[in-house]
Formats: sequence, C-alpha cells, structure tokens
Amino acid sequence: GAGVSQTPSNKVTEKGKYVELRCDPISGHTALYWYRQSLGQGPEFLIYFQGTGAADDSGLPNDRFFAVRPEGSVSTLKIQRTERGDSAVYLCASSEGATNEKLFFGSGTQLSVL
Amino acid sequence: GNSVTQMEGPVTLSEEAFLTINCTYTATGYPSLFWYVQYPGEGLQLLLKATKADDKGSNKGFEATYRKETTSFHLEKGSVQVSDSAVYFCALSVSSGYSTLTFGKGTMLLVSP
Repeated sequence: GAGVSQTPSNKVTEKGKYVELRCDPISGHTALYWYRQSLGQGPEFLIYFQGTGAADDSGLPNDRFFAVRPEGSVSTLKIQRTERGDSAVYLCASSEGATNEKLFFGSGTQLSVL
Repeated sequence: GNSVTQMEGPVTLSEEAFLTINCTYTATGYPSLFWYVQYPGEGLQLLLKATKADDKGSNKGFEATYRKETTSFHLEKGSVQVSDSAVYFCALSVSSGYSTLTFGKGTMLLVSP
C-alpha cells in the first residue's frame, strides 16, 4: 500500500475485555515497530519485529500485551484483560530494513478503555 | 537510561517569524538524533536527522545541529509558514542494528497569518 495502515482507527472497549489492533506495513518493509502514545506524551517503544520474529519486546509493559507477525507482513497487537490505563494511541511503524533509521508511521489506533 | 527533553508548548508565532524549539538528551551510548513532525490528522513523519557530532540535518527550511558538548539538537527555521503548524517531536536512537526511538513529549507549533 501507499503507507502504513492501522485498523481500527478508534476502538472503545470495556475494562477486562480483549482487543486486537492491526497494522499493515508498507509492502516490502521487513522491520515493524509498535509504539504507545499516552495523552501529552511522546510515543514509547513496545516491540520490534524483523521479519516474522520479535527481535526486541523489552517495551511491552506486562504479559497482558502480546504481538505477532506470522507471515512477516501484517502484525497484530493483542491486549488481554484491558485496563483503563491501557487507553492510548497505539502507533505502528515500518522501515525497509533493520538498519534503516527512517521509520514510516501509521495514523494510529485510539484505544479507549471504559 | 535514555531520555529526551523538549521545551513545552504551545509555541505561538506569526507567519515569517523565526522558530527555535529546544531539545536536549541523555543517552547511554552514541545516539543518532531525529526530529519527527505530526501534522493534524496525519501520522508521524521524519523531518530531519543527524548521526554524529556537528552534523547538521536539514529539510523544508528546518535545521538542527548535533551538539555533543551540550547534548542538544535544537530545531530552527528562519521564517515559519502557517502550514508548519504541527506537533514536533525530538527523538534519539542508540540501538545497534535497529531503530528503537526514544521520543520527547512533543512541542505544538501554532503559526498564525
């Protein structure tokens, strides 16, 4: 596609529910990143994929958060037992390769946990 | 750890005014430095970057110089336009082999005609 696509753009859920957020990177980009941006803050790193594998998941806040990229393209961020503190904009970014420092960001998914 | 500190906004300017947005950093290694911009309703975009001390990144009339002695990477533009209104994020990366960016909180710039 022309850019990084994230769906849905908005997600409202109830505390305790499970959610999935999808990221479709730019075609051919092997590196994929998830970030979380809370209100009034800059984005914070969550996880990095190179191809199908999670090369660095050190930013995931706890074991309720999990992400997959089974075919090395689309990625899904999964959040179990959501909490109100999980409310944020979840950003996905991709780049041509691991060492390419130019990241292309999607517009994000605004997650609201009521 | 790694961190980035930016001046708080919003920064409000008239068209054609001079812009400076301050950014300082702390890093455990030798970082690359970036400015990203987020226009209303759009995703973050790389504006410019610098990878070593004294390098100057530039794009669209914006400039920033990597100052290792003051651990700074201030963003400047000589004459802002209304279309420059956006949120600007300073960021650094010290990861080896991939770009785990550490961002500042962002500075909103509002330019009036």
